[in-house]
Amino acid sequence: GAVVSQHPSRVICKSGTSVKIECRSLDFQATTMFWYRQFPKQSLMLMATSNEGSKATYEQGVEKDKFLINHASLTLSTLTVTSAHPEDSSFYICSARAAWIGWNNEQFFGPGTRLTVL
Amino acid sequence: DAKTTQPTSMDCAEGRAANLPCNHSTISGNEYVYWYRQIHSQGPQYIIHGLKNNETNEMASLIITEDRKSSTLILPHATLRDTAVYYCIVTYNTDKLIFGTGTRLQVFP
Repeated sequence: GAVVSQHPSRVICKSGTSVKIECRSLDFQATTMFWYRQFPKQSLMLMATSNEGSKATYEQGVEKDKFLINHASLTLSTLTVTSAHPEDSSFYICSARAAWIGWNNEQFFGPGTRLTVL
Repeated sequence: DAKTTQPTSMDCAEGRAANLPCNHSTISGNEYVYWYRQIHSQGPQYIIHGLKNNETNEMASLIITEDRKSSTLILPHATLRDTAVYYCIVTYNTDKLIFGTGTRLQVFP
């Protein structure tokens, strides 16, 4: 149980275009989902937290108009990188926290999406 | 900033126990110690967590010192598939997982 998927796993796009990344909790409901970014040889950095049905909370320094997050259901959150530029190239990882109180309250992570902007 | 200190890298022979230390000298009374690992180009995987008692599950054991200022993650019989970056995270709020640089564990044959 507790599987989180991401789609696509890899994407290459041209500078100036927008890219949407989906994050799904496959076998549980997630009231809260998180988006992280990881540059090569660096650690994960939390970008934003989203709760189903409400606006996402962004970490300091993350542009909310550039990284649009939608959490429309208990099993799906999307991250849209708008007007992507080469410096947005990174490994984007989502995670979900189960709504069921029986879990250890840990976050379950997706496999990540590698974005390359040309 | 991460509130933990971990060695940058460690080696371990396959089949032997891997003991990964973590210092968290400023830990507060309501903060838990979480361990995650990240295999290359994958998302992090939850391993174990604890508050003050030692914990064990099917993946690992977590030993927390009595003063809670440090802990050790133990992989009892390391395999090549355990090669990964291991992150020790201290938090009372699992909404805020602050990942430090972690320990790169290399298991060799």
